[in-house]
Amino acid sequence: SQTIHQWPATLVQPVGSPLSLECTVEGTSNPNLYWYRQAAGRGLQLLFYSVGIGQISSEVPQNLSASRPQDRQFILSSKKLLLSDSGFYLCAWSQGGADYGYTFGSGTRLTVV
Amino acid sequence: AQKVTQAQTEISVVEKEDVTLDCVYETRDTTYYLFWYKQPPSGELVFLIRRNSFDEQNEISGRYSWNFQKSTSSFNFTITASQVVDSAVYFCALSELGTGFQKLVFGTGTRLLVSP
Repeated sequence: SQTIHQWPATLVQPVGSPLSLECTVEGTSNPNLYWYRQAAGRGLQLLFYSVGIGQISSEVPQNLSASRPQDRQFILSSKKLLLSDSGFYLCAWSQGGADYGYTFGSGTRLTVV
Repeated sequence: AQKVTQAQTEISVVEKEDVTLDCVYETRDTTYYLFWYKQPPSGELVFLIRRNSFDEQNEISGRYSWNFQKSTSSFNFTITASQVVDSAVYFCALSELGTGFQKLVFGTGTRLLVSP
């Protein structure tokens, strides 16, 4: 069966520090991968998606970047965090085709101080 | 552009009450899928249901039921005899068949508080 792992679960980082959040999927190949952010009390905003290794699409301009160095690994990064980067970050995957929805990771709660 | 509207920001009910969460969507596609997800306090989004645009049959799963009406572009979610464990944020989402990959557009969520 497929599983998705996301870490760390919580993170407190100072403004200006770098960021690296990792997400890996097991039990499937060539998944579509997604990074979402949920600001406090708000909905889900799609940040990046990837349909293959090295293929990254950005949905909104921001201080973050994403990379997919391996088929089932998706990394969210920042060189210098801003206060506004605080939020709950969710990784998700889907197999091609619109009828299966997404499977989400357990999320990372990032607080920038 | 696709859009999902969940007009109810927060709903508070007492245990055993029935509650309906509204979802209205906009799309130009004739083929699309609708979803409901539950986000408990732990944060992880849990899949509840998906429905394709050609299937307007209502669905019931235990205390949960869903009413899909294409005529009003709505996909409402009802919890019968609510329980404290139903307290969560519920998201409605819309997808479309497109260019070989899938993107879900989420509503802003409805926070449901069920008190004992």
